[in-house]
Amino acid sequence: GAVVSQHPSRVICKSGTSVKIECRSLDFQATTMFWYRQFPKQSLMLMATSNEGSKATYEQGVEKDKFLINHASLTLSTLTVTSAHPEDSSFYICSAGGFQETQYFGPGTRLLVL
Amino acid sequence: LAKTTQPISMDSYEGQEVNITCSHNNIATNDYITWYQQFPSQGPRFIIQGYKTKVTNEVASLFIPADRKSSTLSLPRVSLSDTAVYYCLVVRNTNAGKSTFGDGTTLTVKP
Repeated sequence: GAVVSQHPSRVICKSGTSVKIECRSLDFQATTMFWYRQFPKQSLMLMATSNEGSKATYEQGVEKDKFLINHASLTLSTLTVTSAHPEDSSFYICSAGGFQETQYFGPGTRLLVL
Repeated sequence: LAKTTQPISMDSYEGQEVNITCSHNNIATNDYITWYQQFPSQGPRFIIQGYKTKVTNEVASLFIPADRKSSTLSLPRVSLSDTAVYYCLVVRNTNAGKSTFGDGTTLTVKP
């Protein structure tokens, strides 16, 4: 099956710094990738749609200037959390599409902002 | 996108068959039904996808009635390692896979 990787798997940063998370489709090309956020004991919440070669589209309530998304190639999308604060601490997960739009998810990135 | 409704939790014992039903009353003609499994601190793992009738793979079966307003994931002979959260999603094939996660079903398998 399709494989999606994320890097890093865990990151701890100080409040006010920026953190970049990479999402890669390893064995297929993806013109569209999705970024989700998941808080403890909660479901996944879609943050934005990453489109290769064009601007990302953000879900209502997600600040585009705080969560910068770049989809520079057909296998890589990056999410940068700018000026991170403790409330941004969460589990960030990306996905990329396959046959019949089946989404394959990355292993997730645990962000802790101190 | 169609909203999905699942039981919040289910308990089972090792070796039993588990059936988790999901309702999606507003499913559209070009929507597919996809099920995922998620363990703590991991990304969701694809289990099975279907459009109508029955689909079976090496880990599960998916039953979809003719009206497609619901679907049932069937896990044969569960083990302790099947304890996880199971999500039912409706995915539109003209929307690049964009979908909304519901609350999922927490399945607990007991010895």
